Amino acid sequence: EAGVTQSPTHLIKTRGQQATLRCSPISGHTSVYWYQQALGLGLQFLLWYDEGEERNRGNFPPRFSGRQFPNYSSELNVNALELEDSALYLCASSRGQGMTDTQYFGPGTRLTVL
Amino acid sequence: AQKVTQAQTEISVVEKEDVTLDCVYETRDTTYYLFWYKQPPSGELVFLIRRNSFDEQNEISGRYSWNFQKSTSSFNFTITASQVVDSAVYFCALSEGFNAGGTSYGKLTFGQGTILTVHP
Repeated sequence: EAGVTQSPTHLIKTRGQQATLRCSPISGHTSVYWYQQALGLGLQFLLWYDEGEERNRGNFPPRFSGRQFPNYSSELNVNALELEDSALYLCASSRGQGMTDTQYFGPGTRLTVL
Repeated sequence: AQKVTQAQTEISVVEKEDVTLDCVYETRDTTYYLFWYKQPPSGELVFLIRRNSFDEQNEISGRYSWNFQKSTSSFNFTITASQVVDSAVYFCALSEGFNAGGTSYGKLTFGQGTILTVHP
């Protein structure tokens, strides 16, 4: 069974640009989660999508947004990039049972903002 | 608010030594789940174990064992006879229920991680 996949592996952007990161969940999983792992800040929860709806959002500005498609894949968009957005962005998926279900992670997208 | 503390930033051991990674959590919810993940240099978080708040039985899986104690809000992880391949960053995480107020529902709150280096 294929795991969570993310693309691209690496992304280099300049300040002010927009970045789009993509995630495909494990087959049968309806929930997708996004986390940011910035140096020195640990893993921070960004967004949770389930059945196409945003279910919860972390403490991030509105320029971090996303969506979930009918096939349960997801996109994370970061507008007006700032230097501090440089981080590893991890996507996870689960069967959509919220707290009770295990989140399985993808390999991540490393975003570098110059 | 929920919080997870991994007080050990880095641990260095020699192969075959036993090592324990500490995890202390805070939550106001009575129903919650605790997790351990491993992050090797490749970056992907690998799921190791999930425990719910009603099950305090310790668990053993090969060289790995976990000790969950609600009385001290701890969920410690022990690797027996460590190997070089165990070198990674290990994260403890907490997931709360809807009763916690809604804002924490569904998300994992992670500790800062413990960097484990096992030397040959």
